[in-house]
Amino acid sequence: AQTVTQSQPEMSVQEAETVTLSCTYDTSESDYYLFWYKQPPSRQMILVIRQEAYKQQNATENRFSVNFQKAAKSFSLKISDSQLGDAAMYFCAYRGGERGGGADGLTFGKGTHLIIQP
Amino acid sequence: DVKVTQSSRYLVKRTGEKVFLECVQDMDHENMFWYRQDPGLGLRLIYFSYDVKMKEKGDIPEGYSVSREKKERFSLILESASTNQTSMYLCASSLLGISNQPQHFGDGTRLSIL
Repeated sequence: AQTVTQSQPEMSVQEAETVTLSCTYDTSESDYYLFWYKQPPSRQMILVIRQEAYKQQNATENRFSVNFQKAAKSFSLKISDSQLGDAAMYFCAYRGGERGGGADGLTFGKGTHLIIQP
Repeated sequence: DVKVTQSSRYLVKRTGEKVFLECVQDMDHENMFWYRQDPGLGLRLIYFSYDVKMKEKGDIPEGYSVSREKKERFSLILESASTNQTSMYLCASSLLGISNQPQHFGDGTRLSIL
C-alpha cells in the first residue's frame, strides 16, 4: 500500500517570505499523480497544485510551485510571498494510476498546519 | 464550478442509531468518494464508487456501507453508530477517464456520536 508522509506538523513563516512544506511518499508504481490541497478553517478542501509523475517539469501555479524528485519520492510545496490568506492545513495526496481514469481514491498525508505571522 | 453538497454540516446521533450522510454533486461526475478526517491522521478513504450501483472498499470500510442509486448522489451509512465513528466526513467527486483530474470536495459533515 502507498504511504504519504508529511514530517512537519506545523510551520510558521513571516508574511511575504517563502516557505517550503515537505512531503515524501512510498510506492512501487511508475504511473501516479500527486496533489497538494489546502484546507482553511472553513473546511473546504481546495486544490493548490498537481503533478503527473511522468512529467519531469515541476508544476507551478502563481506563487505556488513544487519540487518533484521522482527518484527520491519527494514532492515539496514552495509558497512564495506568503500571504495571510495562505494560513491553512496543507495536505499532500497521492493517487495511483492502476485503475486508470482517476477512479482511485487519494492517499493523504497527515497534514501541515501553516501559520502566517503578520 | 463543481458543487459538492453534503446534506448536514453538523450532526449529532446516539450510539446504535443508523446514520445516513448524503452527498450530491452537480457536475455529472462518475467517481464519488467518502473520506474520514481525524486530527493527526489526515484523510482516510472509506468507500468509493465509479458508477451507479458500483462500490469499492477503501482503506477503512469497517462499520460503514454506501449506496449509489443515482449518478449524482452517494450516501454513506453507519449501520449501528459507535462513539469511535465521531469524526469529520468529507465527500468528493471527480471525472472518470481523465487521470490527472483532481477530486472536488464538499464542506464536510462533523458527526458526533453520543
